[in-house]
Formats: sequence, C-alpha cells, structure tokens
Amino acid sequence: QKEVEQNSGPLSVPEGAIASLNCTYSDRGSQSFFWYRQYSGKSPELIMFIYSNGDKEDGRFTAQLNKASQYVSLLIRDSQPSDSATYLCAVNPFTGFQKLVFGTGTRLLVSP
Amino acid sequence: DAGITQSPRYKITETGRQVTLMCHQTWSHSYMFWYRQDLGHGLRLIYYSAAADITDKGEVPDGYVVSRSKTENFPLTLESATRSQTSVYFCASTNRGGTEAFFGQGTRLTVV
Repeated sequence: QKEVEQNSGPLSVPEGAIASLNCTYSDRGSQSFFWYRQYSGKSPELIMFIYSNGDKEDGRFTAQLNKASQYVSLLIRDSQPSDSATYLCAVNPFTGFQKLVFGTGTRLLVSP
Repeated sequence: DAGITQSPRYKITETGRQVTLMCHQTWSHSYMFWYRQDLGHGLRLIYYSAAADITDKGEVPDGYVVSRSKTENFPLTLESATRSQTSVYFCASTNRGGTEAFFGQGTRLTVV
C-alpha cells in the first residue's frame, strides 16, 4: 500500500462549480498535510497546508482532514479554468525528521 | 533574489556515465529534498537532508548519491547512469515545518 494515494482523474468540473479532491494516507501518526498544484511542464507549488488539529480555509480553497478515515480533502470553490492543473497531496509522516511523501496527483479540468 | 535553482535544466548522458545535478537555495531552509517525477508514479523521494551533513534515504535511493557540505547546496549524483534513471528531477527546500516550501524548475535527464 502506498503511503499517500490519490485518484489520478481527470476530475472535470464546469467553471463556477466546486471541485473536490481527496487523498488517503496510511500513516496514522501523520501530523501535517499539504496540497501542491502543478501546471503541466512546471514545478509544484505549495497552495495549502493543515495540521492534524483542524481544517483551514484560504480564499477559494479549503483543506479538510478526516483523521478517523485517514483522508484529506481540498475543496476549490468557484472553480476557474486557470485552476486546471494536477493537484498533489503530500503528507509528513513523521513528527520529528521531516519527509514529505507525495501522492501521484489528481488532474483537474475546469471547463469554461 | 531568494529562490531555488537547479542546473542543468536539460541533460542527455550515456549509460554508465556519472552525472551530477546541482541544487542551490537562498532561503536558508534547513530541509532539502530530491525527487524524481515519472508518469504514473508521481513524485518519488530519492534523498533528503535536514541540515548540512545530515542526509537520509527516501523511497528510491539506489544508484544515487548526495552530499550536503553547505546548507545552501544539495547536489545529486548518479554514479553510473542507467536508462531507468531517465526522468524529471526536482529539488525542493522547506523550512522545518514544511509550511514554506519551494521547488526548483526541474532537470530533465535523458540517459541513452
């Protein structure tokens, strides 16, 4: 079992809709969770992070954690065509020595 | 300007040759990482470093060597390149919590 799993997609949503992206993680002791966005041919960029103690909202983005079921969600409200990219979930499975482990990413397509 | 730079951006090398990919960051981040990205596998961690002279293996370390004599530099060496090491390599640096993270532009390596 991979440490972090994501559905590869593509997830297709119309402009203005809510896009919901999920990832599951295997290490129950994981303390911090990250969402990266990667445009085709570019490097990943960090868009949000949350800790094990709560959810977080930042503009159109909301990250939610379900510790019992071991999954993390990213909601994108009012999706825009410019949001079309691959979204990578990353988990830091250790509380001390940091080691970011990535999922394979979910491709999001937002149609005008 | 603060940032993280990789060199070269593109490299073609022959099987069996040694090749070194360079990574330099000006953020003064303590953590640095090397990932490779392949279709279907996402970002896989090769090696990471928590500080100068502290390195550890990631998920796919075989065939790679790293060093970190200075905080700002984290070179990755392929000791004897193989075709299976054809990939896009990303270097990243983060602060201790991972809440500030930047990736380099990537190095596209082709082993022929």
